[in-house]
Amino acid sequence: GQQVMQIPQYQHVQEGEDFTTYCNSSTTLSNIQWYKQRPGGHPVFLIQLVKSGEVKKQKRLTFQFGEAKKNSSLHITATQTTDVGTYFCAGPHGGGTSYGKLTFGQGTILTVHP
Amino acid sequence: NAGVTQTPKFQVLKTGQSMTLQCAQDMNHEYMSWYRQDPGMGLRLIHYSVGAGITDQGEVPNGYNVSRSTTEDFPLRLLSAAPSQTSVYFCASSLGLTANYGYTFGSGTRLTVV
Repeated sequence: GQQVMQIPQYQHVQEGEDFTTYCNSSTTLSNIQWYKQRPGGHPVFLIQLVKSGEVKKQKRLTFQFGEAKKNSSLHITATQTTDVGTYFCAGPHGGGTSYGKLTFGQGTILTVHP
Repeated sequence: NAGVTQTPKFQVLKTGQSMTLQCAQDMNHEYMSWYRQDPGMGLRLIHYSVGAGITDQGEVPNGYNVSRSTTEDFPLRLLSAAPSQTSVYFCASSLGLTANYGYTFGSGTRLTVV
């Protein structure tokens, strides 16, 4: 079955440094979603990418969807302590358009040292 | 709107006991899912539903049952609890295929099986 792999598993940065997490799928994805989970909290939806090569920005966050629609990345510029948490990517299970079956990557745990 | 409401927030079960985790949403979302979250393993899909009366299995369905008799409710039943089912359980809902509209998660149920 489809697997969504995410790296790195952990990332420790100093406040002000940049941060990137990468997501790779074994199959082509119709779309990919990104979520953030604060420590002790629940996942919160950030964004969805649909088009090949798509790039979207949310303030200091930049999301990219690969040309082959099998990989994606999230880049945070100048991290702040409020960025602390686990970042997950998620894609439709089985690589198709079955929106209801989201497979999540293992997540990247980001810690930011002030 | 209350969003996605999960009850209980915490539960301790003895091995072999059964119980139902409740999930309700008031956003008229067609798509609902149950995930379990274990350290280092991300979020794994247990069961999902694309509408009332329609359910399907996710990645880790064994030991769990679901039903969707109404749009609002999607309970998860543990048939005979085992220590391996100790986890944090999240219910989530979504409108579905609408672009840039992801899943809204409940606050979770922390289950311990002893």
